[in-house]
Amino acid sequence: DAGITQSPRYKITETGRQVTLMCHQTWSHSYMFWYRQDLGHGLRLIYYSAAADITDKGEVPDGYVVSRSKTENFPLTLESATRSQTSVYFCATRMNTEAFFGQGTRLTVV
Amino acid sequence: GESVGLHLPTLSVQEGDNSIINCAYSNSASDYFIWYKQESGKGPQFIIDIRSNMDKRQGQRVTVLLNKTVKHLSLQIAATQPGDSAVYFCAEIRHNYGQNFVFGPGTRLSVLP
Repeated sequence: DAGITQSPRYKITETGRQVTLMCHQTWSHSYMFWYRQDLGHGLRLIYYSAAADITDKGEVPDGYVVSRSKTENFPLTLESATRSQTSVYFCATRMNTEAFFGQGTRLTVV
Repeated sequence: GESVGLHLPTLSVQEGDNSIINCAYSNSASDYFIWYKQESGKGPQFIIDIRSNMDKRQGQRVTVLLNKTVKHLSLQIAATQPGDSAVYFCAEIRHNYGQNFVFGPGTRLSVLP
């Protein structure tokens, strides 16, 4: 299917575990983003990528790692999950002034 | 610091009435302002945008107004329908994050029958 796909949709993990959230786009949009969405904070940027092999920190990058070896994939890794990272994570691409979002991954850290 | 925010966290309107969702911003250097709609369990979806050199733009049943003097953005929805119930975010494109979108906290619109 065309568009942007996130996996998994739901994930429960334990504190201290490493977990990777996947993001795949079928377009060739240069920009890709990871946001987390929490009540009272709206959408906050974690990391973004302007192109393959180019990534940069956003507003709340601590505890996260990203990579972009291919234009279409932009995985987000929590190196050692903490309860404060319980959130809904959205991946997005951008074309001109429009952002396209995935359906989100709801991550619970117990 | 600079931010994009919303005046009202919740808004309830009668079906068929017009809705107005407001947003205040503080970064006068932003090039574009955008409104997004997020339905429950889904990612945000683009509604309409407006360039900073415009003061009004109309879409289908929606109008965005930009008042740069008071740094205020609003989204007007005509003849609000039950399908309009969602959380609405205003956002701006900022250059400090690779022309990333910076979102406000959101307003929940509830359409009453």
